[in-house]
Amino acid sequence: KAGVTQTPRYLIKTRGQQVTLSCSPISGHRSVSWYQQTPGQGLQFLFEYFSETQRNKGNFPGRFSGRQFSNSRSEMNVSTLELGDSALYLCASSLQGPAGELFFGEGSRLTVL
Amino acid sequence: KQEVTQIPAALSVPEGENLVLNCSFTDSAIYNLQWFRQDPGKGLTSLLLIQSSQREQTSGRLNASLDKSSGRSTLYIAASQPGDSATYLCAVKGETSGSRLTFGEGTQLTVNP
Repeated sequence: KAGVTQTPRYLIKTRGQQVTLSCSPISGHRSVSWYQQTPGQGLQFLFEYFSETQRNKGNFPGRFSGRQFSNSRSEMNVSTLELGDSALYLCASSLQGPAGELFFGEGSRLTVL
Repeated sequence: KQEVTQIPAALSVPEGENLVLNCSFTDSAIYNLQWFRQDPGKGLTSLLLIQSSQREQTSGRLNASLDKSSGRSTLYIAASQPGDSATYLCAVKGETSGSRLTFGEGTQLTVNP
């Protein structure tokens, strides 16, 4: 059974550009969450999608957005990149329900120059 | 607001030693608690999930306990091995937070041969 797949694994952008990251959840999982990990702030929740609807959103500026498609695949977009957006972006999927276990992908490492 | 604290921040032990990692959380209204392992530059690997109604979970050399009322969890690793070297993260899912996890800062474990 394939795990959570994130692409691209590594990318370098310059300030002011935008970036789109992709996440394919485990087959059958309909909930997808995104997290940002930085050395200074640790792991912080970005947003959660379920059945193409955003269910929960963390405390990030509007430059961070996401969406989910009918096949449960999800994308997140960061516009007008800033140096502080350099981070490991992690996607997690889970089965429906609050008791579900979260499974994470390998992450997308974004470097903003 | 839920806060999760992990002690110690770093731990170095000789191979073969049994060890305990600690996690505490401020709001006991949780659905579950999950322990993860993260290797450098990698994503998160789920180790154990404890539902709020459970007291402990075991997987191989790992045993995690949960005392919901006191807001504490421990991860016990028996007969540590160099391959156990990684950062261990504790995360809780609150009753009002959907699938959102709140993470601790992690314990960086080094097991010396």
